[in-house]
Amino acid sequence: DTEVTQTPKHLVMGMTNKKSLKCEQHMGHRAMYWYKQKAKKPPELMFVYSYEKLSINESVPSRFSPECPNSSLLNLHLHALQPEDSALYLCASSQVQGAVTGELFFGEGSRLTVL
Amino acid sequence: TQLLEQSPQFLSIQEGENLTVYCNSSSVFSSLQWYRQEPGEGPVLLVTVVTGGEVKKLKRLTFQFGDARKDSSLHITAAQPGDTGLYLCAGAGGTSYGKLTFGQGTILTVHP
Repeated sequence: DTEVTQTPKHLVMGMTNKKSLKCEQHMGHRAMYWYKQKAKKPPELMFVYSYEKLSINESVPSRFSPECPNSSLLNLHLHALQPEDSALYLCASSQVQGAVTGELFFGEGSRLTVL
Repeated sequence: TQLLEQSPQFLSIQEGENLTVYCNSSSVFSSLQWYRQEPGEGPVLLVTVVTGGEVKKLKRLTFQFGDARKDSSLHITAAQPGDTGLYLCAGAGGTSYGKLTFGQGTILTVHP
């Protein structure tokens, strides 16, 4: 099993809503990542979890709140988002954080639209 | 801050043509990865190059890592419409420990 599964695939929310994005992997990877991607642009790192602890927060606004309940799951809680937060949110995992090869396995992404 | 300059940003070619995408940096990376992303999908790893001067081939794709491990190239021979997508180079290691440094991406369109 080499998949990273993200739900939902599409999400539309108002600026006052609270929603969550979910990510799951069963490859035994100990590092998990959230990226934000705008159309035709590279992914931008938001958060990294290593062994279920937050390792990197790339100065992301507090309206995005990550959570790593266990080594297989990663959530991104969304609250009071702005229209400019509309993007594809990608979850990724790797065996460990900072390995020389550092290969990432990405999910298909959650397409978020903020009205 | 490490940067990876990827070029060209856009490439529109006819089926059967050859192309090369470049990724350059002033920083040394431990490894350089190439990903391809199709619309509606997440990026998928194509190859990782680790050793300076390394050349790897994947069917019609040839990847090269510069001797100084600061640059890389992707060459596609006889492009096909199925090669269409966003190509991303990403550097690991160096001063950006624990995270990849992505290039700006190359949007490749191969017309039948």
